[in-house]
Amino acid sequence: SQTIHQWPATLVQPVGSPLSLECTVEGTSNPNLYWYRQAAGRGLQLLFYSVGIGQISSEVPQNLSASRPQDRQFILSSKKLLLSDSGFYLCAWSVGGRPYEQYFGPGTRLTVT
Amino acid sequence: AQRVTQPEKLLSVFKGAPVELKCNYSYSGSPELFWYVQYSRQRLQLLLRHISRESIKGFTADLNKGETSFHLKKPFAQEEDSAMYYCALIGGDTGRRALTFGSGTRLQVQP
Repeated sequence: SQTIHQWPATLVQPVGSPLSLECTVEGTSNPNLYWYRQAAGRGLQLLFYSVGIGQISSEVPQNLSASRPQDRQFILSSKKLLLSDSGFYLCAWSVGGRPYEQYFGPGTRLTVT
Repeated sequence: AQRVTQPEKLLSVFKGAPVELKCNYSYSGSPELFWYVQYSRQRLQLLLRHISRESIKGFTADLNKGETSFHLKKPFAQEEDSAMYYCALIGGDTGRRALTFGSGTRLQVQP
């Protein structure tokens, strides 16, 4: 069966520090991969999605970036965190032909201080 | 640009009462609409999609293109329905492979 992992589960980082959040999927090949941010009272905001290795679509301008170095690995990064980057970050995957049926990871709670 | 609006942040009802979670969308083409649910301490998961026209856990949702709405309904709420509900849209005619989510509505079903 397919599983999706995210780490770390929680993270507290100072303003201006770098960020790296990792997401991996097991049990499937060539998935679509997604990064969302869930800020308090604002629902789910799509940040990036990827339909293949090295293929990244950015949804919103920001100081975050994403990379997909391997088929089932998706990384969210920042060179310098801002206070506004605090939030709950969710990774999700879907089968390529069924982008509406997404399976979500457990999430990472990021607090920027 | 496509947009999904869920006007209610919180909806509180008593057990056995009818429930309607509102969702309106803005999209010029042919959309596909979905409802996702997140129960306490569980991951976000797909509840239903409009194309299936199915009832899941007693919930139904009808796409009304005239009113650009996709409200989620259940005739008799149960305590276990308490959760966060998100309406989502994907542009069926663009090949876009990502969902646009609304801001979510928290449903509280009181005993």
